Amino acid sequence: DAGVIQSPRHEVTEMGQEVTLRCKPISGHDYLFWYRQTMMRGLELLIYFNNNVPIDDSGMPEDRFSAKMPNASFSTLKIQPSEPRDSAVYFCASSFGTGSFGRNTIYFGEGSWLTVV
Amino acid sequence: DQQVKQNSPSLSVQEGRISILNCDYTNSMFDYFLWYKKYPAEGPTFLISISSIKDKNEDGRFTVFLNKSAKHLSLHIVPSQPGDSAVYFCAAPSTSNTGKLIFGQGTTLQVKP
Repeated sequence: DAGVIQSPRHEVTEMGQEVTLRCKPISGHDYLFWYRQTMMRGLELLIYFNNNVPIDDSGMPEDRFSAKMPNASFSTLKIQPSEPRDSAVYFCASSFGTGSFGRNTIYFGEGSWLTVV
Repeated sequence: DQQVKQNSPSLSVQEGRISILNCDYTNSMFDYFLWYKKYPAEGPTFLISISSIKDKNEDGRFTVFLNKSAKHLSLHIVPSQPGDSAVYFCAAPSTSNTGKLIFGQGTTLQVKP
């Protein structure tokens, strides 16, 4: 069974450009999460969806960030315009039922490594 | 506001010895804690968890201890193996937001042969 699939795995872009990260969650999972990993803050939750509906986007750093989930099998995280401080690893994750109680494991993708120069 | 903190960015131990990774939290309402393990170029994977009604949970070489009075938990790996070298994150579910896991900054463990 395929896990969470993210693309691209690596992205190098110039400051000011638009970046779109893509995610395909595990089939049947009803929660989808976007996390960002940095050295200083570890893993930060940016936004999460339940049944394709955004539930909490309080972690989205700025209006330059936006996320969509048009259907149960696809989500995007967009940064426009991108800045060097956005350089990080962005993880998509999914779960069946809320993984926050630990009873349902959250499954992470392999991450998208973004470098903005 | 970092509610879950891992104050040691890195830890190095010898193969066969015990590895102890620490995690502190500030919210006494947290009722569940999890540890995730992350290898380079991979996403984090669930390792072990503990409910706040327990003070210990063991799974093979991995044991998590919870000290609620100190708001502290630790992950013990005995014996440590080179394959355990990874980044370890502790996490807790947000008490105010269903579905949200709060992660610490992570501790990089290196187990030397």
